[in-house]
Amino acid sequence: NAGVTQTPKFQVLKTGQSMTLQCAQDMNHEYMSWYRQDPGMGLRLIHYSVGAGITDQGEVPNGYNVSRSTTEDFPLRLLSAAPSQTSVYFCASSNVGSSTDTQYFGPGTRLTVL
Amino acid sequence: AQSVTQLDSQVPVFEEAPVELRCNYSSSVSVYLFWYVQYPNQGLQLLLKYLSGSTLVESINGFEAEFNKSQTSFHLRKPSVHISDTAEYFCAVSDRAGANNLFFGTGTRLTVIP
Repeated sequence: NAGVTQTPKFQVLKTGQSMTLQCAQDMNHEYMSWYRQDPGMGLRLIHYSVGAGITDQGEVPNGYNVSRSTTEDFPLRLLSAAPSQTSVYFCASSNVGSSTDTQYFGPGTRLTVL
Repeated sequence: AQSVTQLDSQVPVFEEAPVELRCNYSSSVSVYLFWYVQYPNQGLQLLLKYLSGSTLVESINGFEAEFNKSQTSFHLRKPSVHISDTAEYFCAVSDRAGANNLFFGTGTRLTVIP
């Protein structure tokens, strides 16, 4: 299993540009999520999904869109990038509601918005 | 709502010395507590977790944490650290057993000095 994969690893955007961060998992997990990591602030939840066709907002959803058309993929879209979205983005996945499961994180995408 | 406080942003410690990384949480419901480790330029990996049962939980590489409900704490300890333990450590809380929708602390950077 590849686990959780993210592309690209690095990206530089200009203010106002749009892009999609890709996330895929091959563990058949129902739950997938996106976090952003900023210095001194830890990780904050952006959006999450508990299954195909179901998404919901996390702690910091503004400026981001998500969709979940398949179990495997959970892309994160920035429609109009802003410098405040400069961050490291992590995708994660797990089973839903299992007391013995854990959440698996991807390697991250480092995004810079100029 | 849940929140997590990690009191120390940086902890330097000499090799083979003991270390404690502090974590306090607030929650109005039952909690599930986690410690994640992030090595440089990598994603997060689960170190250990408390879901129920024994309040003392251990990891395979010598770390342990104790859930203290009265003090709302989940401090991480290791009796003798190695150079390879240098990393950033995040405490997280969830109100769901499946580790979905984690709320993270701001992280503690552990630096082991030779």
